[in-house]
Amino acid sequence: GAVVSQHPSWVICKSGTSVKIECRSLDFQATTMFWYRQFPKQSLMLMATSNEGSKATYEQGVEKDKFLINHASLTLSTLTVTSAHPEDSSFYICSARSGTGGNEQFFGPGTRLTVL
Amino acid sequence: QKEVEQDPGPLSVPEGAIVSLNCTYSNSAFQYFMWYRQYSRKGPELLMYTYSSGNKEDGRFTAQVDKSSKYISLFIRDSQPSDSATYLCAILAGGTSYGKLTFGQGTILTVHP
Repeated sequence: GAVVSQHPSWVICKSGTSVKIECRSLDFQATTMFWYRQFPKQSLMLMATSNEGSKATYEQGVEKDKFLINHASLTLSTLTVTSAHPEDSSFYICSARSGTGGNEQFFGPGTRLTVL
Repeated sequence: QKEVEQDPGPLSVPEGAIVSLNCTYSNSAFQYFMWYRQYSRKGPELLMYTYSSGNKEDGRFTAQVDKSSKYISLFIRDSQPSDSATYLCAILAGGTSYGKLTFGQGTILTVHP
């Protein structure tokens, strides 16, 4: 099956710093990648949709200047949390959809961000 | 009203029990219906995927969709301790929102030996 990796799996940073999270599709080309956020005991909330080579589309209420998304290639998307604050602490999960037209999204293992 | 409602549980059952997990949705434009399993601190993995009303079976798992009632279910037969996880229903929109998944809150299931 298709594999999606995320790096790092966990990160702890100080308030005010920026953190970059990578999402890679390992064995397929992903024309579309999605970024989700999940707070403890809550469901996944879509933050943004990114298509390779174009600007990301952000969901209502998600600050695009705070959560920078770059989808520079068909196998890599990055999410940068800028000037992170404790309330940004969460589990960030990406998913990728193949460019062959299927509906299935393959999820990465997630990145746990803790902002002190 | 949330677009997808799921009973969060938690649900605790003995090994071998039949488990029923349910979601309701409000948007008739939803076209594809999925069930994901998520273990603690891991990403979701797809269990079942269907797009039509009726039942779809895969091993011990059966997904049921009733589009007229906007109701979806996942049944787990002969439940095992390894089934203990959070189960998320997810619905894929069509049209201009194509590709966007909307998740239910998730149901925490514990199967005890």
